[in-house]
Amino acid sequence: EPEVTQTPSHQVTQMGQEVILRCVPISNHLYFYWYRQILGQKVEFLVSFYNNEISEKSEIFDDQFSVERPDGSNFTLKIRSTKLEDSAMYFCASSEESYSYEQYFGPGTRLTVT
Amino acid sequence: AQRVTQPEKLLSVFKGAPVELKCNYSYSGSPELFWYVQYSRQRLQLLLRHISRESIKGFTADLNKGETSFHLKKPFAQEEDSAMYYCALRKGGGNKLTFGTGTQLKVEL
Repeated sequence: EPEVTQTPSHQVTQMGQEVILRCVPISNHLYFYWYRQILGQKVEFLVSFYNNEISEKSEIFDDQFSVERPDGSNFTLKIRSTKLEDSAMYFCASSEESYSYEQYFGPGTRLTVT
Repeated sequence: AQRVTQPEKLLSVFKGAPVELKCNYSYSGSPELFWYVQYSRQRLQLLLRHISRESIKGFTADLNKGETSFHLKKPFAQEEDSAMYYCALRKGGGNKLTFGTGTQLKVEL
C-alpha cells in the first residue's frame, strides 16, 4: 500500500538556522498538507497546498515558513530562521482531493531546535 | 473558529469492558467529524468518519448535533486497541483538520 514518507526522521538544528523538512506524498494525490505537534499539545494545521500554490494557511504559518513542490514527487517545508518554539513533530499529509477525501499522514519529522 | 475538545488525557479500561472516548466540538456550520488513531510508533491513521456510518475494528461513533458530540464507542475493549485517539473536525467544503488534544486509551488485561 502506498504511504507518505518523510525525511529526516529527526533533525537537530541550532536557533537561527534554516531547516528543510522533506515529504514524498502518495503519487496520485493532489492536495498536500503540513501539520505540527508540539510535545504534549494538539496536532495543529500549518498549511495546505494545491496546484503549486498555498490554498489555506494558519496564523502559525508566518513569513518564516514556506512550502514548495520542487519536482513531481517532493513537497518541502522550509523554516528560514528557527526558534526554540519551532521544536515539534512535523507531519506531512496528502489526499486525492480536498474535502471528502481522507488525508494520509507521514510518520513525522521530529525537529529539535537548540 | 472551530474547536475540538477531548476531556480525557488518559482512559484506562480492562479487556472486555466497554469503551467510550469523548469528543465535543464547537462549530457553527455543518462539520465533518473524524477519529484518527495512532498506535505505538506508528503514523496517524484514519479510524472512521461520521459520514461513512460504518464500524471499524468494532468502533462506532455517532454525530450528535444537538449535543455537538462525536463520542467513540466499542462494546468490548481488546488489548490491541491500546493507542492514542484523536478526534478531528473539518468544516464543510474545507480541507484543514482541527484536532483535539487526544486521549490515550490503555486496555489492561
